Amino acid sequence: DQQVKQNSPSLSVQEGRISILNCDYTNSMFDYFLWYKKYPAEGPTFLISISSIKDKNEDGRFTVFLNKSAKHLSLHIVPSQPGDSAVYFCAASGGGATNKLIFGTGTLLAVQP
Amino acid sequence: KAGVTQTPRYLIKTRGQQVTLSCSPISGHRSVSWYQQTPGQGLQFLFEYFSETQRNKGNFPGRFSGRQFSNSRSEMNVSTLELGDSALYLCASSRGQGPYWGYTFGSGTRLTVV
Repeated sequence: DQQVKQNSPSLSVQEGRISILNCDYTNSMFDYFLWYKKYPAEGPTFLISISSIKDKNEDGRFTVFLNKSAKHLSLHIVPSQPGDSAVYFCAASGGGATNKLIFGTGTLLAVQP
Repeated sequence: KAGVTQTPRYLIKTRGQQVTLSCSPISGHRSVSWYQQTPGQGLQFLFEYFSETQRNKGNFPGRFSGRQFSNSRSEMNVSTLELGDSALYLCASSRGQGPYWGYTFGSGTRLTVV
Protein backbone atom coordinates (compact mmCIF):
# COMPACT_ATOMS: atom_id res chain seq x y z
CA ASP A 1 0.00 0.00 0.00
CA GLN A 2 1.69 3.18 -1.24
CA GLN A 3 0.97 5.79 1.43
CA VAL A 4 2.86 8.53 -0.41
CA LYS A 5 2.30 8.85 -4.14
CA GLN A 6 3.97 10.84 -6.84
CA ASN A 7 1.80 10.16 -9.84
CA SER A 8 3.99 11.88 -12.41
CA PRO A 9 7.10 9.81 -13.13
CA SER A 10 8.58 12.63 -15.17
CA LEU A 11 8.21 16.33 -15.92
CA SER A 12 9.87 18.51 -18.55
CA VAL A 13 10.06 22.29 -18.14
CA GLN A 14 11.78 25.12 -19.97
CA GLU A 15 14.53 27.02 -18.21
CA GLY A 16 13.17 30.07 -16.42
CA ARG A 17 9.64 28.70 -16.12
CA ILE A 18 7.96 27.27 -13.04
CA SER A 19 8.27 23.57 -12.15
CA ILE A 20 5.45 22.10 -10.09
CA LEU A 21 5.93 18.67 -8.57
CA ASN A 22 3.00 17.01 -6.85
CA CYS A 23 2.63 14.50 -4.06
CA ASP A 24 -0.41 12.87 -2.48
CA TYR A 25 -0.64 10.95 0.76
CA THR A 26 -3.25 8.75 2.35
CA ASN A 27 -2.30 8.63 6.03
CA SER A 28 -3.83 11.51 7.99
CA MET A 29 -1.36 10.82 10.83
CA PHE A 30 1.51 12.22 8.77
CA ASP A 31 2.45 15.56 10.27
CA TYR A 32 5.75 16.51 8.65
CA PHE A 33 6.73 16.45 5.01
CA LEU A 34 10.06 16.78 3.26
CA TRP A 35 11.31 17.12 -0.30
CA TYR A 36 14.60 15.65 -1.46
CA LYS A 37 16.50 15.97 -4.71
CA LYS A 38 18.61 13.10 -5.99
CA TYR A 39 21.24 12.98 -8.71
CA PRO A 40 22.39 9.62 -10.12
CA ALA A 41 25.04 7.88 -8.00
CA GLU A 42 24.47 10.28 -5.11
CA GLY A 43 22.34 10.17 -1.99
CA PRO A 44 19.20 12.31 -1.66
CA THR A 45 19.81 15.93 -0.69
CA PHE A 46 17.32 17.75 1.54
CA LEU A 47 15.53 20.67 -0.13
CA ILE A 48 12.69 21.92 2.01
CA SER A 49 10.18 20.73 4.57
CA ILE A 50 6.82 21.69 6.01
CA SER A 51 4.98 20.94 9.20
CA SER A 52 1.30 20.10 9.09
CA ILE A 53 0.52 23.22 11.11
CA LYS A 54 1.54 25.34 8.11
CA ASP A 55 0.26 25.50 4.57
CA LYS A 56 3.28 27.12 2.93
CA ASN A 57 7.02 27.26 3.39
CA GLU A 58 9.51 29.13 1.22
CA ASP A 59 13.24 28.90 0.80
CA GLY A 60 14.70 30.88 -2.06
CA ARG A 61 13.46 29.47 -5.36
CA PHE A 62 11.66 26.60 -3.61
CA THR A 63 8.18 26.77 -2.10
CA VAL A 64 6.20 23.89 -0.68
CA PHE A 65 2.43 24.06 -0.34
CA LEU A 66 0.42 21.73 1.87
CA ASN A 67 -3.33 21.12 1.52
CA LYS A 68 -4.24 18.92 4.46
CA SER A 69 -7.89 18.50 3.54
CA ALA A 70 -6.88 17.15 0.14
CA LYS A 71 -3.86 15.29 1.55
CA HIS A 72 -1.78 16.93 -1.16
CA LEU A 73 1.47 18.80 -1.26
CA SER A 74 3.38 20.41 -4.07
CA LEU A 75 6.85 21.77 -4.64
CA HIS A 76 7.24 24.88 -6.78
CA ILE A 77 10.60 25.80 -8.26
CA VAL A 78 10.80 29.30 -9.71
CA PRO A 79 12.66 30.00 -11.90
CA SER A 80 13.73 26.54 -13.00
CA GLN A 81 17.38 26.06 -13.90
CA PRO A 82 19.11 23.26 -15.84
CA GLY A 83 20.96 22.29 -12.63
CA ASP A 84 17.58 21.46 -11.09
CA SER A 85 17.31 18.44 -13.38
CA ALA A 86 17.17 15.47 -11.00
CA VAL A 87 14.75 13.05 -9.37
CA TYR A 88 12.60 14.66 -6.68
CA PHE A 89 11.18 12.63 -3.82
CA CYS A 90 8.58 13.70 -1.33
CA ALA A 91 8.63 12.01 2.06
CA ALA A 92 6.32 11.97 5.06
CA SER A 93 6.84 11.40 8.75
CA GLY A 94 4.29 10.23 11.26
CA GLY A 95 5.89 12.42 13.86
CA GLY A 96 6.97 11.47 17.32
CA ALA A 97 10.35 10.11 18.21
CA THR A 98 11.01 8.22 15.02
CA ASN A 99 13.20 8.87 12.02
CA LYS A 100 11.18 6.62 9.73
CA LEU A 101 10.26 8.37 6.51
CA ILE A 102 7.77 7.14 3.92
CA PHE A 103 8.92 8.12 0.45
CA GLY A 104 7.09 8.55 -2.81
CA THR A 105 8.43 6.90 -5.95
CA GLY A 106 9.95 10.09 -7.28
CA THR A 107 9.50 12.45 -10.23
CA LEU A 108 12.27 12.96 -12.77
CA LEU A 109 12.48 16.67 -13.58
CA ALA A 110 14.20 17.72 -16.79
CA VAL A 111 14.82 21.45 -17.23
CA GLN A 112 15.49 22.25 -20.86
CA PRO A 113 17.90 25.13 -21.63
CA LYS B 1 32.77 18.56 8.16
CA ALA B 2 32.71 14.97 6.92
CA GLY B 3 29.41 13.70 5.60
CA VAL B 4 27.82 10.29 5.91
CA THR B 5 30.20 7.62 4.62
CA GLN B 6 28.98 4.36 3.19
CA THR B 7 31.27 1.52 2.25
CA PRO B 8 31.71 -0.13 -0.11
CA ARG B 9 30.27 1.98 -2.94
CA TYR B 10 29.73 -0.98 -5.23
CA LEU B 11 29.38 -4.67 -4.55
CA ILE B 12 28.65 -7.73 -6.68
CA LYS B 13 27.53 -10.89 -4.91
CA THR B 14 26.19 -14.26 -5.94
CA ARG B 15 22.77 -15.59 -5.00
CA GLY B 16 22.85 -17.34 -1.65
CA GLN B 17 25.80 -15.37 -0.31
CA GLN B 18 25.58 -12.87 2.50
CA VAL B 19 26.72 -9.26 2.55
CA THR B 20 27.54 -6.59 5.14
CA LEU B 21 27.26 -2.89 4.39
CA SER B 22 28.70 -0.14 6.56
CA CYS B 23 27.57 3.39 7.40
CA SER B 24 29.55 5.98 9.34
CA PRO B 25 27.30 8.89 10.38
CA ILE B 26 28.26 12.51 10.75
CA SER B 27 30.17 13.12 13.95
CA GLY B 28 27.73 13.79 16.77
CA HIS B 29 24.81 12.10 15.04
CA ARG B 30 23.37 9.27 17.10
CA SER B 31 20.70 8.02 14.74
CA VAL B 32 21.18 5.94 11.61
CA SER B 33 18.37 4.84 9.30
CA TRP B 34 18.64 2.49 6.32
CA TYR B 35 16.66 2.53 3.08
CA GLN B 36 16.51 0.35 -0.01
CA GLN B 37 15.99 2.02 -3.37
CA THR B 38 14.89 -0.02 -6.36
CA PRO B 39 13.62 1.27 -9.73
CA GLY B 40 9.98 2.26 -9.52
CA GLN B 41 9.76 1.67 -5.78
CA GLY B 42 11.28 4.79 -4.36
CA LEU B 43 13.04 4.47 -1.03
CA GLN B 44 11.76 1.77 1.27
CA PHE B 45 12.50 2.05 4.98
CA LEU B 46 14.53 -0.84 6.38
CA PHE B 47 15.35 0.06 9.98
CA GLU B 48 16.33 2.82 12.34
CA TYR B 49 18.90 2.79 15.12
CA PHE B 50 19.44 5.25 17.93
CA SER B 51 21.99 4.82 20.69
CA GLU B 52 22.70 1.22 19.66
CA THR B 53 19.02 0.22 19.84
CA GLN B 54 16.76 -0.62 16.93
CA ARG B 55 13.85 1.80 17.23
CA ASN B 56 11.84 0.91 14.18
CA LYS B 57 11.80 -1.75 11.49
CA GLY B 58 10.31 -1.77 8.01
CA ASN B 59 8.47 -4.55 6.25
CA PHE B 60 11.42 -6.65 5.12
CA PRO B 61 12.14 -10.35 5.69
CA GLY B 62 14.32 -11.50 8.55
CA ARG B 63 17.23 -11.96 6.12
CA PHE B 64 17.76 -8.22 6.56
CA SER B 65 19.34 -7.26 9.86
CA GLY B 66 21.39 -4.48 11.28
CA ARG B 67 23.17 -3.15 14.30
CA GLN B 68 24.69 0.02 15.64
CA PHE B 69 27.91 0.33 17.57
CA SER B 70 28.80 2.57 20.49
CA ASN B 71 30.48 5.05 18.13
CA SER B 72 27.16 5.30 16.20
CA ARG B 73 28.54 3.49 13.15
CA SER B 74 26.02 1.07 11.76
CA GLU B 75 26.10 -2.08 9.67
CA MET B 76 23.37 -3.88 7.84
CA ASN B 77 23.55 -7.52 6.82
CA VAL B 78 21.61 -9.40 4.20
CA SER B 79 21.84 -13.17 4.32
CA THR B 80 20.98 -15.69 1.62
CA LEU B 81 20.96 -13.06 -1.11
CA GLU B 82 18.27 -13.14 -3.77
CA LEU B 83 18.28 -11.48 -7.20
CA GLY B 84 15.59 -9.09 -5.98
CA ASP B 85 17.94 -7.71 -3.34
CA SER B 86 19.83 -5.88 -6.06
CA ALA B 87 19.36 -2.25 -5.14
CA LEU B 88 20.94 0.95 -3.91
CA TYR B 89 21.17 0.86 -0.12
CA LEU B 90 21.20 4.26 1.52
CA CYS B 91 21.77 5.27 5.07
CA ALA B 92 20.83 8.56 6.68
CA SER B 93 22.12 10.01 9.90
CA SER B 94 20.50 12.45 12.28
CA ARG B 95 21.43 14.11 15.52
CA GLY B 96 18.24 13.07 17.28
CA GLN B 97 14.91 11.39 16.83
CA GLY B 98 12.11 13.05 14.94
CA PRO B 99 12.03 14.78 11.52
CA TYR B 100 12.78 18.24 12.91
CA TRP B 101 16.41 17.22 13.42
CA GLY B 102 16.86 16.70 9.69
CA TYR B 103 18.58 13.86 7.90
CA THR B 104 21.76 13.61 5.87
CA PHE B 105 22.09 10.76 3.41
CA GLY B 106 25.20 8.97 2.29
CA SER B 107 25.90 8.23 -1.38
CA GLY B 108 24.80 4.64 -0.97
CA THR B 109 26.09 1.17 -1.70
CA ARG B 110 25.06 -0.28 -5.04
CA LEU B 111 24.53 -4.02 -4.53
CA THR B 112 24.19 -6.29 -7.54
CA VAL B 113 23.22 -9.91 -6.98
CA VAL B 114 23.98 -12.28 -9.85
